[in-house]
Amino acid sequence: QKEVEQDPGPLSVPEGAIVSLNCTYSNSAFQYFMWYRQYSRKGPELLMYTYSSGNKEDGRFTAQVDKSSKYISLFIRDSQPSDSATYLCATAYGNNRLAFGKGNQVVVIP
Amino acid sequence: GAVVSQHPSWVICKSGTSVKIECRSLDFQATTMFWYRQFPKQSLMLMATSNEGSKATYEQGVEKDKFLINHASLTLSTLTVTSAHPEDSSFYICSARDGGARTEAFFGQGTRLTVV
Repeated sequence: QKEVEQDPGPLSVPEGAIVSLNCTYSNSAFQYFMWYRQYSRKGPELLMYTYSSGNKEDGRFTAQVDKSSKYISLFIRDSQPSDSATYLCATAYGNNRLAFGKGNQVVVIP
Repeated sequence: GAVVSQHPSWVICKSGTSVKIECRSLDFQATTMFWYRQFPKQSLMLMATSNEGSKATYEQGVEKDKFLINHASLTLSTLTVTSAHPEDSSFYICSARDGGARTEAFFGQGTRLTVV
């Protein structure tokens, strides 16, 4: 069983819509949860970082963690064409390596 | 956030030659650095984990003699692809974490390697 599952299907939304992305993880020891954004041919950039259940907001982005169901989400409000990218979820515990999901390609259509 | 600089951003080399990729943490000390490989439209595949001053830990299936990793200082790690072949063509990305309480990793810009 993969450590992090992320449905890699592409997602197209009209500008201004809410983008909803989800991942599940298998190891209850995972303590830290991250979302990365990756533009084509670029390295991933950290978007959101959280270590507890609940919501964390940063501008138009909200990261949600539900440790009881091992489920993490990212919401993008008022999506913009510049949000078009691949979004990767990641989890970690302690100082160990990160486990990544496969990534979701998001296209925001003007 | 912290800055990780990776160089070169792209390189083309002939089959059989070696290529070195550098990864530097610019404003923090990276006790741990990770090297990833990414194929088109695929996620990041961890190749190895390196800790400053010790040998790298390679993931299963990654040839340590082909992908040489050196982490000689707290701000620099290098990946050398030896005797490169066309199948080694890929996007290589490094990331670094500092030794403090922060667990998030910061990524370099990536290096696109094309072996001809």
